[in-house]
Amino acid sequence: GAGVSQSPSNKVTEKGKDVELRCDPISGHTALYWYRQSLGQGLEFLIYFQGNSAPDKSGLPSDRFSAERTGGSVSTLTIQRTQQEDSAVYLCASSYRDRANYGYTFGSGTRLTVV
Amino acid sequence: KNEVEQSPQNLTAQEGEFITINCSYSVGISALHWLQQHPGGGIVSLFMLSSGKKKHGRLIATINIQEKHSSLHITASHPRDSAVYICAVILPDKLIFGTGTRLQVFP
Repeated sequence: GAGVSQSPSNKVTEKGKDVELRCDPISGHTALYWYRQSLGQGLEFLIYFQGNSAPDKSGLPSDRFSAERTGGSVSTLTIQRTQQEDSAVYLCASSYRDRANYGYTFGSGTRLTVV
Repeated sequence: KNEVEQSPQNLTAQEGEFITINCSYSVGISALHWLQQHPGGGIVSLFMLSSGKKKHGRLIATINIQEKHSSLHITASHPRDSAVYICAVILPDKLIFGTGTRLQVFP
């Protein structure tokens, strides 16, 4: 596709339920990132995938959060047993390996509301 | 101290005014993004630059790598420019974001 595609664009879920957020990066981009922006807060790094390397999970806030990237393309961020503090906009970005020359392209985000 | 500092945090302007948003950083970088975030949350990359100056329409971005400083200028501002503008520095394996500048342009 022409850009980074995220789905759903909005998700309302009940506390305790699991949710899956999807990111479809730009074809050929080897790097994929997930970020989170809670209400009134800055952007928070969650996880980074680069090619076939082991992902950098250092930003995941708890073991309820996990992500995978299948075939080096589509990524799914899963939040188990959602809590109200998980409410945020979840943003995905992708990039070519040479980020200094190509930069990042962001998706339009998934707004998650946990009620 | 944050590694990426933006100023001002909030900015209001009348339509037509010249706007400047500043970004200072303390880490060595290869390049820097200026991003625009509208109320819906989506982020658009306005510029990526590693030296000098770039211009796109009414937007101008400059960077001084030696001084670790970048500025985003908006000429002839318009209400549709109202958004949060975020500076993000590019490190080898991640971005570090500034806290953003919330701009409101009134007609």
